[in-house]
Amino acid sequence: DTGVSQNPRHKITKRGQNVTFRCDPISEHNRLYWYRQTLGQGPEFLTYFQNEAQLEKSRLLSDRFSAERPKGSFSTLEIQRTEQGDSAMYLCASSSTGGLSNEQYFGPGTRLTVT
Amino acid sequence: GQNIDQPTEMTATEGAIVQINCTYQTSGFNGLFWYQQHAGEAPTFLSYNVLDGLEEKGRFSSFLSRSKGYSYLLLKELQMKDSASYLCAVRDRGSYIPTFGRGTSLIVHP
Repeated sequence: DTGVSQNPRHKITKRGQNVTFRCDPISEHNRLYWYRQTLGQGPEFLTYFQNEAQLEKSRLLSDRFSAERPKGSFSTLEIQRTEQGDSAMYLCASSSTGGLSNEQYFGPGTRLTVT
Repeated sequence: GQNIDQPTEMTATEGAIVQINCTYQTSGFNGLFWYQQHAGEAPTFLSYNVLDGLEEKGRFSSFLSRSKGYSYLLLKELQMKDSASYLCAVRDRGSYIPTFGRGTSLIVHP
């Protein structure tokens, strides 16, 4: 296992279009997180799964955003009716449940540009 | 939630030592993380502190004082490749989700 992977790495779309991103976590990790990051800022939490259950969503997450993790393995993040303000790097991270720190391992991200 | 404050940018000389500070406010504390993020890349885990004191890991050390809501990351023998953003993240008690600060952009020059 080479770590968390995300596809696509880059996505350019026109305003109003829908986009979907995929994340494949480290195989033995049952926790999966989505973050959004803009230039000069730290990652901003969007949503969190433990196995297939979506346990937490940020209040900042509008109803245009939806995430799934149907079999408790890979996850998808969909943005409907994209807006220019959605342009950002979308990061996925995973972590295990064992241990004390449960640090997150991040994927390379999907950079979204909405024109 | 937390208020996490860290300097926006720091510069240092190759071979020197630099200390990056992070202060936070939280209603219940359950650990502090430091991550390194090179431009255009994903954050990578550096350290975790949950008890007061210093954790050393090679050239990098991280310190925590829970009573002061304060941590620092100490980088020794700086190398050019250490030029990156350093993110402080704090986890609340009862949560698995750390909240990230804005990051400190460190520039190492010859």
